[in-house]
Amino acid sequence: AQSVTQLDSHVSVSEGTPVLLRCNYSSSYSPSLFWYVQHPNKGLQLLLKYTSAATLVKGINGFEAEFKKSETSFHLTKPSAHMSDAAEYFCVVSDQGGGADGLTFGKGTHLIIQP
Amino acid sequence: SQTIHQWPATLVQPVGSPLSLECTVEGTSNPNLYWYRQAAGRGLQLLFYSVGIGQISSEVPQNLSASRPQDRQFILSSKKLLLSDSGFYLCAWSVMLAGGRGKTQYFGPGTRLLVL
Repeated sequence: AQSVTQLDSHVSVSEGTPVLLRCNYSSSYSPSLFWYVQHPNKGLQLLLKYTSAATLVKGINGFEAEFKKSETSFHLTKPSAHMSDAAEYFCVVSDQGGGADGLTFGKGTHLIIQP
Repeated sequence: SQTIHQWPATLVQPVGSPLSLECTVEGTSNPNLYWYRQAAGRGLQLLFYSVGIGQISSEVPQNLSASRPQDRQFILSSKKLLLSDSGFYLCAWSVMLAGGRGKTQYFGPGTRLLVL
């Protein structure tokens, strides 16, 4: 079985300060992990993915995430927030034993950027 | 490169009317296809997925149905819409990752449905 927990439903940071969006997962297999971003009334865009290579993964728009097996975490970070980063972020786990479709989505974290 | 299209982008329909949303994928063959619904302020709910033409799996019982008449075409339908069908509908396709490590999904732009 697989599951994913996004620890914060809302995160608010000031523009120019660091961003941390937390995600913990569980998996009975060797999982792949993803972060997606969704701006209002838009589809989900893949930010980055971990599939077994380097544990520190760099994505688009300056985001990165680190896979920590010992902590079963895959937190998303960015050194300096920009107003355009305001959006909903989803953490996703996928493995060979996943649900009917093999993927499990977190419930999302709403990132608010204060000017 | 692969692209995924959805239409219409926005739809306003009266209760009891039929529905047809279309999704097409370009640049790939035999993709797994998915329909999700996202209600206001909520996460993603998987509605249907398909591993091939004519093969549909339903995840949630409801008044919606899906069909896959062609390899890269996925259609979401209803005979009679309910108020609760309002939401943002997302189509996605996936590719298997090497080593049995699951799938990567790519999403379309979505359709905003408002049932009045």
